Formats: sequence, C-alpha cells, structure tokens
Amino acid sequence: GQNIDQPTEMTATEGAIVQINCTYQTSGFNGLFWYQQHAGEAPTFLSYNVLDGLEEKGRFSSFLSRSKGYSYLLLKELQMKDSASYLCAVLDSNYQLIWGAGTKLIIKP
Amino acid sequence: DTEVTQTPKHLVMGMTNKKSLKCEQHMGHRAMYWYKQKAKKPPELMFVYSYEKLSINESVPSRFSPECPNSSLLNLHLHALQPEDSALYLCASSQQRGGADTQYFGPGTRLTVL
Repeated sequence: GQNIDQPTEMTATEGAIVQINCTYQTSGFNGLFWYQQHAGEAPTFLSYNVLDGLEEKGRFSSFLSRSKGYSYLLLKELQMKDSASYLCAVLDSNYQLIWGAGTKLIIKP
Repeated sequence: DTEVTQTPKHLVMGMTNKKSLKCEQHMGHRAMYWYKQKAKKPPELMFVYSYEKLSINESVPSRFSPECPNSSLLNLHLHALQPEDSALYLCASSQQRGGADTQYFGPGTRLTVL
C-alpha cells in the first residue's frame, strides 16, 4: 500500500525555526510536494523536490532523501501568518498525487 | 500568473436540487482536476481531465458529473446529493498530466447539502 506520515500537530514560537517531517512509502516516486493550507482555503504550492538535497526559497526550505523515503520542510523566522496546515504529497509511478494527512502548525507569540 | 478561479464560493443546496460548480484557468494548462476535501483531511481526487478528455474517475458516484467544455473551463454538475457530500470542492490545474508538474489550486467551493 501507499503511505505518507507526518505529525498531526506542531507548536512553535514566533521568530523561531520549525521542521516538519514527512516519511513516505509509495509505488514509485516522481517527486515530493509541500503545500500550505490555511483553514477553509485552498492549498498553495510551496516546494517541489525530486533530487536528494535541500531546496531553499526565502524563509522556507525543503529537504529530500530518496533512499530514506524522507523529507522535511523547514520554516525560519516564523510569523503568525505561518499558522496553517502543511501537506506533504508524493507523485507516484502513475503521476498521481498521494497526500499525507497534513500537519497543523500553531504559532504562539 | 498562477490563478485558478472557482464559482460559487459557497453553495447550499437541498438533496433534490441540481447545481453546477465552475472552474476556470488561463495558464494554458492541459490537465484539470476536481478534488473533494473534508475538514482536517487531505484532498481526495475525484476526476482528472487531460486535453479535455476524462482520464481518471476515482469511482465517484454518478450524482457527480464532470464536464470540460474547453481547455480553460471545468464544470462539476451536482444532482441528488447527500448530506455527507458536504465538503470543500477544489479545482486544480497543471501543465499536463503524466509529468511532474505542479498542481495549482483554485480557492474552492464550500458546499453544504441539507
């Protein structure tokens, strides 16, 4: 079966750094996406990794290790507006997105 | 521009009503998707259109009927829905299906079935 695991909820402090982990077991791999979703709104694209390593985009970075079936999203200099759910999704061998359940990130002042 | 638009934003309907959801994109994308999302759950794929042809139907009940009139538009026709169909309905598009292309989502339609 296909499985993507991420923590259900995390709490962090404004201005700090937080790392959201994602592990996956899928039939094939054509890349991993991170999306941000505020409550009641649509997911918005954050990052895409297909090769091992770190991709940096402003305050957000995403890391991938294909051999370990592991990725993380790193958020620096946290702001209150970063309070949202973060969804990890893997593109499988059929180029279909397999979604994790999402991690709800709560930012405290 | 990575904009996908959806109308209406909110929809309340009875179980005997017929209504339609609309989605539009002008990015030249050739793949369009309908997803259903319940609270605190990830999106569930319903349908995929590739080059205006239905390529995936994830065993969705026939009370949901998709239509792709042209490469920019995607509709979802609703008839005889059940209260458990209440959810956020998301439309997305990507350059094409079968590639590692990013899916861009519209703002969604919040559907309530009474």
